[in-house]
Amino acid sequence: ETGVTQSPTHLIKTRGQQVTLRCSSQSGHNTVSWYQQALGQGPQFIFQYYREEENGRGNFPPRFSGLQFPNYSSELNVNALELDDSALYLCASSFPENYEQYFGPGTRLTVT
Amino acid sequence: EDQVTQSPEALRLQEGESSSLNCSYTVSGLRGLFWYRQDPGKGPEFLFTLYSAGEEKEKERLKATLTKKESFLHITAPKPEDSATYLCAVQSVNAGKSTFGDGTTLTVKP
Repeated sequence: ETGVTQSPTHLIKTRGQQVTLRCSSQSGHNTVSWYQQALGQGPQFIFQYYREEENGRGNFPPRFSGLQFPNYSSELNVNALELDDSALYLCASSFPENYEQYFGPGTRLTVT
Repeated sequence: EDQVTQSPEALRLQEGESSSLNCSYTVSGLRGLFWYRQDPGKGPEFLFTLYSAGEEKEKERLKATLTKKESFLHITAPKPEDSATYLCAVQSVNAGKSTFGDGTTLTVKP
């Protein structure tokens, strides 16, 4: 069974640029959630996708957007990057009827 | 709005010294409470799900318990490899998202 994978591992961007982060779900999982984790804090919910549709969103501005593909992989896009966007971005997959979420290793984004 | 508060923020134990971590929560209808372990620079690793008050789950040296207002993660005779940040999260029946606490960072000295 393949676990959740994310790419890239690390990324450095300049303020104002755009970034795309990628996630492959654990085998058989059709629900994907994205979280932002600042240093020393717990993960903050960004949004969730189920069957290629957004299925819930946290308190993040519209410049945070996402996609889910038919194979259940997912992308997180962030436009007009700000310094405060520097964080660990986590992807988690699950079955919709089983609330247990399994996380990937994360992408460390640094905005300078 | 769902809220999760974990205490203490940091805990230092000697190897073999048992202790407990606390997770206090408020949620509008609990769907599930989750415990995760997170090592530095890595994603959270799923440990337990608890669904109703009175439920208990065990895994090796860890035991999680749940009441209507809080959950405890008991660590019995910890080893240095148990050093990590332990995260608690809740899901309400009205939302698919998980609300996390800020974690307890556990350090176990040999």
